[in-house]
Amino acid sequence: QQQVKQSPQSLIVQKGGIPIINCAYENTAFDYFPWYQQFPGKGPALLIAIRPDVSEKKEGRFTISFNKSAKQFSLHIMDSQPGDSATYFCAPRGGSNYKLTFGKGTLLTVNP
Amino acid sequence: SAVISQKPSRDICQRGTSLTIQCQVDSQVTMMFWYRQQPGQSLTLIATANQGSEATYESGFVIDKFPISRPNLTFSTLTVSNMSPEDSSIYLCSAAEGMNTEAFFGQGTRLTVV
Repeated sequence: QQQVKQSPQSLIVQKGGIPIINCAYENTAFDYFPWYQQFPGKGPALLIAIRPDVSEKKEGRFTISFNKSAKQFSLHIMDSQPGDSATYFCAPRGGSNYKLTFGKGTLLTVNP
Repeated sequence: SAVISQKPSRDICQRGTSLTIQCQVDSQVTMMFWYRQQPGQSLTLIATANQGSEATYESGFVIDKFPISRPNLTFSTLTVSNMSPEDSSIYLCSAAEGMNTEAFFGQGTRLTVV
């Protein structure tokens, strides 16, 4: 059973574009919704996370939108830069399960 | 957030041998995890390393193949035993201060088995 479905698998945008990455989940016990960013040769790093009591959270150029009824959350990157080129993972967690459930990842390429 | 140091960063090993990967956190943490990641793929949880008790393994992973130690609140090791080329992967250590806090990751150990 795939608990987390992340899309798209890959994404290419021009500098200044607004890539959007989506994550759909099935487990209604999830109560923590993070996005991780991973550069080649590095471990994942927490980019931004949201709790289900709010529908949107913004940190700099990164925004999470959360739709509890649809069981979906998404990552928006405003004014994307070539340095944002990386793999992004959604990894919700919650309930009695303290473990992160990783999506398959989205490879983002921002062309200059 | 805390900093995780993993050693070695990469290694090339002969099949049939074992490799122990070390994970050192610069602060005390409750939770430590070990993941495996094939290049270009997602992360797969191997086990949760519990201080003072046996590690908890995920389906498909067994203690005989991946023994784990967790002697204190800042350190853990993962051993990949009797290696085969199928064990070639990136192994990542992760930690969290508590069950409901941010999880952070080491830079990974790239293992190649020949």
